[in-house]
Amino acid sequence: SYELTQPPSVSVSPGQTARITCSGDALPKQYAYWYQQKPGQAPVLVIYKDSERPSGIPERFSGSSSGTTVTLTISGVQAEDEADYYCQSADSSGTRYVFGTGTKVTVL
Amino acid sequence: QVQLVESGGGVVQPGRSLRLSCAASGFTFSSYGMHWVRQAPGKGLEWVAVISYDGSNKYYADSVKGRFTISRDNSKNTLYLQMNSLRAEDTAVYYCASAGEFGCSGGSCYSGAFDYWGQGTLVTVSS
Repeated sequence: SYELTQPPSVSVSPGQTARITCSGDALPKQYAYWYQQKPGQAPVLVIYKDSERPSGIPERFSGSSSGTTVTLTISGVQAEDEADYYCQSADSSGTRYVFGTGTKVTVL
Repeated sequence: QVQLVESGGGVVQPGRSLRLSCAASGFTFSSYGMHWVRQAPGKGLEWVAVISYDGSNKYYADSVKGRFTISRDNSKNTLYLQMNSLRAEDTAVYYCASAGEFGCSGGSCYSGAFDYWGQGTLVTVSS
């Protein structure tokens, strides 16, 4: 089955930049999306179509894509950004959807 | 504003059935594809199923195929997940999420972002 691989954790000091990668074979053909999830809450979309930011999401969140890897970048990390982040995409046929393994961002 | 409210969760014995509902408001439900996503306690997100705006296209994760059925009633703005032959590993919080857009052509499909999510309903499968 199709899988998306993320690092389990990323630690960053306030004001620094956090980068979270997500790797998958079908990423050159399918868009990637990123979701933020805080404890006890539903996920929230923070990036869509690889690099687009929904309204209401701070500009410090950005996305990029290169080959089989997509990256979520949080510039000038704030304490409120501490959360789990998941990438999401689809297999090459678009009939199976998959989430990445998840990355816990800790703000030191 | 967009609101998705899941219901129907609870404790159920292995092998039994349960039906989840997701009541939608604040958007034109009948125009949107919809997904179910679940999250086992302390684990990551797992996609479960998707249905097109008119119910004509449905797809499932391999882990639930043949046991779960996704459906919708556009007259009631409600999404459903019928879960049969439940197993302990189906224990999770189940979320419904709108797809933004979802369409299929020639065996291939496209879904937009999972742009709005409900707060989830907990299903516990235990004897």
